[in-house]
Amino acid sequence: SQQGEEDPQALSIQEGENATMNCSYKTSINNLQWYRQNSGRGLVHLILIRSNEREKHSGRLRVTLDTSKKSSSLLITASRAADTASYFCATDADTDKLIFGTGTRLQVFP
Amino acid sequence: DSGVTQTPKHLITATGQRVTLRCSPRSGDLSVYWYQQSLDQGLQFLIQYYNGEERAKGNILERFSAQQFPDLHSELNLSSLELGDSALYFCASSVQGRSTYGYTFGSGTRLTVV
Repeated sequence: SQQGEEDPQALSIQEGENATMNCSYKTSINNLQWYRQNSGRGLVHLILIRSNEREKHSGRLRVTLDTSKKSSSLLITASRAADTASYFCATDADTDKLIFGTGTRLQVFP
Repeated sequence: DSGVTQTPKHLITATGQRVTLRCSPRSGDLSVYWYQQSLDQGLQFLIQYYNGEERAKGNILERFSAQQFPDLHSELNLSSLELGDSALYFCASSVQGRSTYGYTFGSGTRLTVV
């Protein structure tokens, strides 16, 4: 079963633009993580935000978390063609296993 | 190279057959997780092992089984294969069996059942 739902399912932008994708989840969490997957490849961990944090930055990535709304957003600033990938949020609702959302497919055109 | 090694990368087999997928976790990681990724089901958690013991079970079919060996590598066994088992199978590892520091994923095994 999916814990998270990403929105939008797909996003197309031009290089240099910002990309924002959202994640909603269903139950309380300890932390929320974002991963990137290039086509057919393994997932790569991007950033983790704990339930007591509201915002976190890493390079061109900015993640926000609103536990009252059970939602998170990932902002990629000044997008590059190399950012083209699928992006997944993941939550650890119970035990330590991560449950992944449905993903957002991002296409960045040069 | 993420440090998590999965073999084989590609596997084509017939319905009814049995296959074994292998995973070596990143050095120092004690926990191994198996996920199945298909177009219609997304990324589904199958099973987790920590230091040789099963810790959590997800949507794993009875035809599937896994184990983690003393050297911490893990194997996922898929039997009586059906067309619907065609998918990407990922292994991930983490420090001390917790998600606190994120998972490191392997590059996956693409299974095609014909």
